[in-house]
Amino acid sequence: NAGVTQTPKFQVLKTGQSMTLQCAQDMNHEYMSWYRQDPGMGLRLIHYSVGAGITDQGEVPNGYNVSRSTTEDFPLRLLSAAPSQTSVYFCASSLQGGPEAFFGQGTRLTVV
Amino acid sequence: AQTVTQSQPEMSVQEAETVTLSCTYDTSESNYYLFWYKQPPSRQMILVIRQEAYKQQNATENRFSVNFQKAAKSFSLKISDSQLGDTAMYFCAFMKLYYSGGYNKLIFGAGTRLAVHP
Repeated sequence: NAGVTQTPKFQVLKTGQSMTLQCAQDMNHEYMSWYRQDPGMGLRLIHYSVGAGITDQGEVPNGYNVSRSTTEDFPLRLLSAAPSQTSVYFCASSLQGGPEAFFGQGTRLTVV
Repeated sequence: AQTVTQSQPEMSVQEAETVTLSCTYDTSESNYYLFWYKQPPSRQMILVIRQEAYKQQNATENRFSVNFQKAAKSFSLKISDSQLGDTAMYFCAFMKLYYSGGYNKLIFGAGTRLAVHP
């Protein structure tokens, strides 16, 4: 009964490095998304996907890339990490039309 | 665009007492959901309670209940008989309801950090 699995849980990057945050769900949900959580700002939507092969930008997409080749996986790529991307990242999934979103455990990313 | 405002950055309560967390939102939509999520120190996002805007009856889940005032665009969370395990960050969130197509994204408030003291 895994639900939504994110890896890694913690990561430290140097400015300019690239990396991929992994997200996988085993509930056959059509919708998946990435949010970032910053102090005093709640969670904000980065990118989302309504199905395999379909992605779109959210509220704060700059500096991030996504793709969705399968229903299960939705990786988030940081192309060239910047200190402003220091945050906690959450992956979420839901059935088409929702309403309940299921969240992963989050990834705490620090860019130095 | 929809916005969600939580005006209490921090609150504290004694164990076994009742506390109310405030949330207001702004939208021109008539069909939507409202949520309260709990985030304990483990960082996990846990759904506490959900309210459908078309339902006039306030949602309840055990010790958790909401006061949903649609005209005032207010959605407060009441925690009764507070327990130490209720210590967490609480987020209020809005979701527009789509009947076909459209992505059901969540719009979050900034959060209220609740501390329950023995």
